[in-house]
Amino acid sequence: QKEVEQNSGPLSVPEGAIASLNCTYSDRGSQSFFWYRQYSGKSPELIMSIYSNGDKEDGRFTAQLNKASQYVSLLIRDSQPSDSATYLCAVNGHAAGAGNMLTFGGGTRLMVKP
Amino acid sequence: KAGVTQTPRYLIKTRGQQVTLSCSPISGHRSVSWYQQTPGQGLQFLFEYFSETQRNKGNFPGRFSGRQFSNSRSEMNVSTLELGDSALYLCASSPGGSGQETQYFGPGTRLLVL
Repeated sequence: QKEVEQNSGPLSVPEGAIASLNCTYSDRGSQSFFWYRQYSGKSPELIMSIYSNGDKEDGRFTAQLNKASQYVSLLIRDSQPSDSATYLCAVNGHAAGAGNMLTFGGGTRLMVKP
Repeated sequence: KAGVTQTPRYLIKTRGQQVTLSCSPISGHRSVSWYQQTPGQGLQFLFEYFSETQRNKGNFPGRFSGRQFSNSRSEMNVSTLELGDSALYLCASSPGGSGQETQYFGPGTRLLVL
């Protein structure tokens, strides 16, 4: 059973602070990793994708991947109240060409307080 | 480009009935995946279709089925509905070539089984 684990939160940070969201996965053969944001009552929207060890930055967001430790994280700098949402970590354990089958963590609820 | 569209957005059915949900992917995308989201189980993969063929299947009973048409539009069907089938059903599309691409989610169909 492939598993993706996240702390359910809520993670509460003040406006302007850095929010750090973490995710671990069990399938060592996993190839691609995604962070989605989901507002209450809405569908998930992509924040970041990451495929290689190291950091990937996009605006206020930085994804970090460590395949040896089976660990993915998302940092949100200068957090805004509009960042308050549930953040879902998703992992595709299939080899390239074998298709899409995302395993999602349970999500971390982030609350950014003004 | 228009995003993923799903119809209907909301549906109320009674136990024992069957239901068909529809998904139109982003233009040019050939892979369509279906997910079920419930408060208790989170987001779970149902199946993926690529070029009218089921490429991957999750761990759901045979009451859940799907198909894909030559224009990449997809439908999923749930027969003999149970109360536990009440959920948000999400469709996601991706270009489909490598199977490792980002999946983009539609708005979902919220199904309530009474």
